[in-house]
Amino acid sequence: EPEVTQTPSHQVTQMGQEVILRCVPISNHLYFYWYRQILGQKVEFLVSFYNNEISEKSEIFDDQFSVERPDGSNFTLKIRSTKLEDSAMYFCASRERQGQETQYFGPGTRLLVL
Amino acid sequence: DAKTTQPPSMDCAEGRAANLPCNHSTISGNEYVYWYRQIHSQGPQYIIHGLKNNETNEMASLIITEDRKSSTLILPHATLRDTAVYYCIVRVGYSGAGSYQLTFGKGTKLSVIP
Repeated sequence: EPEVTQTPSHQVTQMGQEVILRCVPISNHLYFYWYRQILGQKVEFLVSFYNNEISEKSEIFDDQFSVERPDGSNFTLKIRSTKLEDSAMYFCASRERQGQETQYFGPGTRLLVL
Repeated sequence: DAKTTQPPSMDCAEGRAANLPCNHSTISGNEYVYWYRQIHSQGPQYIIHGLKNNETNEMASLIITEDRKSSTLILPHATLRDTAVYYCIVRVGYSGAGSYQLTFGKGTKLSVIP
């Protein structure tokens, strides 16, 4: 069964450093998402992406965040200058098409900012 | 999206049916009920969704009351691997372009006991 994959599974970085989290969505899916989950808290929506542009973003997704689909398979989340409070699990999700609303999630990347 | 209310935790004996309730009294006519689960810190896993008819798949059954103000997710023969946090999410269905991000609550922590 096709699945969303994410790399790395764990990332440790110093405050102020840039990180790039990578996702490979399911191959025929057209809509892509990033969510995050701070330890012990709810899963929160960050951003959605379709047709090579952001379609919606939350207030969490400030200027420090960016997303990109650099080629036909990868979908990346970049945090330019990490803060301690960016420590969280980051989940990528994808959805096939309009009319098919189910989102499928990847296993997540655990980011720790020191 | 309509708000949902779920009990914070439930226990279920292994091999028995687990019945997880969800109240969504403000649901509107074009909103679907989705169920996801999250095992430990893994990515949320899609289980099932429905609009007004009862639904069944290989994982679970979804029973939606006639007035659509509540629903029950049924895991017919719970196993230890079903121990997870279960999220009931109400989400507008297809109505044209939209990012359809999911809004997660705190969910129900289901513990399956040997």
